[in-house]
Amino acid sequence: GQNIDQPTEMTATEGAIVQINCTYQTSGFNGLFWYQQHAGEAPTFLSYNVLDGLEEKGRFSSFLSRSKGYSYLLLKELQMKDSASYLCAVNRDNYGQNFVFGPGTRLSVLP
Amino acid sequence: DAGVIQSPRHEVTEMGQEVTLRCKPISGHNSLFWYRQTMMRGLELLIYFNNNVPIDDSGMPEDRFSAKMPNASFSTLKIQPSEPRDSAVYFCASSLVSLSRTEAFFGQGTRLTVV
Repeated sequence: GQNIDQPTEMTATEGAIVQINCTYQTSGFNGLFWYQQHAGEAPTFLSYNVLDGLEEKGRFSSFLSRSKGYSYLLLKELQMKDSASYLCAVNRDNYGQNFVFGPGTRLSVLP
Repeated sequence: DAGVIQSPRHEVTEMGQEVTLRCKPISGHNSLFWYRQTMMRGLELLIYFNNNVPIDDSGMPEDRFSAKMPNASFSTLKIQPSEPRDSAVYFCASSLVSLSRTEAFFGQGTRLTVV
């Protein structure tokens, strides 16, 4: 079957660093995506990894280890506006696009 | 580009009625997805199209659900008859398959309430 796990909730302080983990077991793998979703809004794309290693984009970085079925999203210099759900998604189709999403991690940033 | 456009934004209907959700993908995108999001089950893929052809509909809950994509700029998701357990936010997303990134862009969603 398809299984993607993330912690349900996390809390951090403004200005701090937080790491949100994602583990996956899927029938195929063609890239891992992180999305941010504010309450009542649509998910928006944050980052993409298809090869092992770290991808950095401003305050956000994402890491992938394909052999371990593991990824994390690192958020630095947290701001109040970073309070949102963070969704890990795997494209399990080697020739197309068949995304399966994790349950999401609700992050609360406190002053 | 205006992004992925969904209509209506909100729909309240009575059990047993037919519901049709509409989606206009981003121009030039060749893949379209329908998702359902609930607190209990998270974001679930219902069906996706590539070049207007349904590729995987294994996520469609049952025969009451059907989806069509008559052309590259329009898709519908129909529920008939609707039931209270269908209440959820339905998202449409589109993407462009390429050799590099293939992220999906989401519409604002349709919040469906079946009473």
